[in-house]
Amino acid sequence: AQKVTQAQTEISVVEKEDVTLDCVYETRDTTYYLFWYKQPPSGELVFLIRRNSFDEQNEISGRYSWNFQKSTSSFNFTITASQVVDSAVYFCALSELYNFNKFYFGSGTKLNVKP
Amino acid sequence: SAVISQKPSRDICQRGTSLTIQCQVDSQVTMMFWYRQQPGQSLTLIATANQGSEATYESGFVIDKFPISRPNLTFSTLTVSNMSPEDSSIYLCSVGTDYEQYFGPGTRLTVT
Repeated sequence: AQKVTQAQTEISVVEKEDVTLDCVYETRDTTYYLFWYKQPPSGELVFLIRRNSFDEQNEISGRYSWNFQKSTSSFNFTITASQVVDSAVYFCALSELYNFNKFYFGSGTKLNVKP
Repeated sequence: SAVISQKPSRDICQRGTSLTIQCQVDSQVTMMFWYRQQPGQSLTLIATANQGSEATYESGFVIDKFPISRPNLTFSTLTVSNMSPEDSSIYLCSVGTDYEQYFGPGTRLTVT
């Protein structure tokens, strides 16, 4: 069965600290997509990244980086030098490669960045 | 990419009434999806709406409670029927394009 686990319910850091959000997934498929979304207090879901199962290269985008490891079924998200604007709920999600309409979301991690 | 708008953005409704949420996309898409996010919870897929066919509902969701219309390739509605306080949630419309999903801003519903 498909499942995404975000064990960290809530994390609090002080501005400029680095923080890593964990995501562990389960799937019977050999091909799939993984996503991260940000949900600020306004409620809108903001797309951050998509990674397919063929590509295990880590990705960096500004202060954001993602570590995908198939061996441990993990897709962790690191924010470097966190800022107050990073405060939000972050969701990790999994979709089937050829049935991408079916998304499996994790329970989300609420990140609080304090000044 | 796709730009999605939803109406209303929020509403407060009495129990026993119904609310219809509209979703408009700026481009033609084959698949549209409706999600529910209960307070403090993750997103749960309610149904998939394809133009010209009946919506496909996920386990735990039924057409009588959440009827969906999909009259064309850019528009869909979700009705929350006979509401109870347990229906208080954010309802999000989503579209799938190029192996990605884009989400609307959501409709924040409170049932009193």
